[in-house]
Amino acid sequence: GESVGLHLPTLSVQEGDNSIINCAYSNSASDYFIWYKQESGKGPQFIIDIRSNMDKRQGQRVTVLLNKTVKHLSLQIAATQPGDSAVYFCAEKEMGPGAQKLVFGQGTRLTINP
Amino acid sequence: GAVVSQHPSRVICKSGTSVKIECRSLDFQATTMFWYRQFPKQSLMLMATSNEGSKATYEQGVEKDKFLINHASLTLSTLTVTSAHPEDSSFYICSASRFGASGNTIYFGEGSWLTVV
Repeated sequence: GESVGLHLPTLSVQEGDNSIINCAYSNSASDYFIWYKQESGKGPQFIIDIRSNMDKRQGQRVTVLLNKTVKHLSLQIAATQPGDSAVYFCAEKEMGPGAQKLVFGQGTRLTINP
Repeated sequence: GAVVSQHPSRVICKSGTSVKIECRSLDFQATTMFWYRQFPKQSLMLMATSNEGSKATYEQGVEKDKFLINHASLTLSTLTVTSAHPEDSSFYICSASRFGASGNTIYFGEGSWLTVV
């Protein structure tokens, strides 16, 4: 199940099950969104991105859904594996010329149970 | 392999001293780099935007005189934590934007653990 801890929300799923991680973003002007995976003691690792002119994008075992109306983003991981255990962050930024800053969401710790 | 490298990966310093963390783009030029700080079990918080050849842009609440940023070349930005205190102990992460035909791609370094004792 999903619970909210002192800092990071956590999600525990059985190996092989699908998992859905949610994220609410705040900036209406954001038009580019990225999901990152972060393992303990390492930098964020790119998983998948989506632009605001799309509402769904699929990768290998992962799908990102974007609902701009309610400013909500989700990451679906199919057939979870032990290696999927990590903290997942959504990030948002505004497109355009130059390198706009990337703002990270709270993050969710995903634990895969054997 | 890594395209953004940070050094050192771990550093311990005494309270009151200064410590420098380097962020390098390995095979591309980065006119803009970003510095983040991450406390345990928390998200990445943007500290500042490092601009090559000009002053860094700091986020609200980040002391520019304490966290000195220098972006003297197109492949190197440095973050110096001055007069470090135990509360500065954190995981510091940099990122760099690589511009290409399809837009810009953001690459993150592996992070630097700072422990102030």
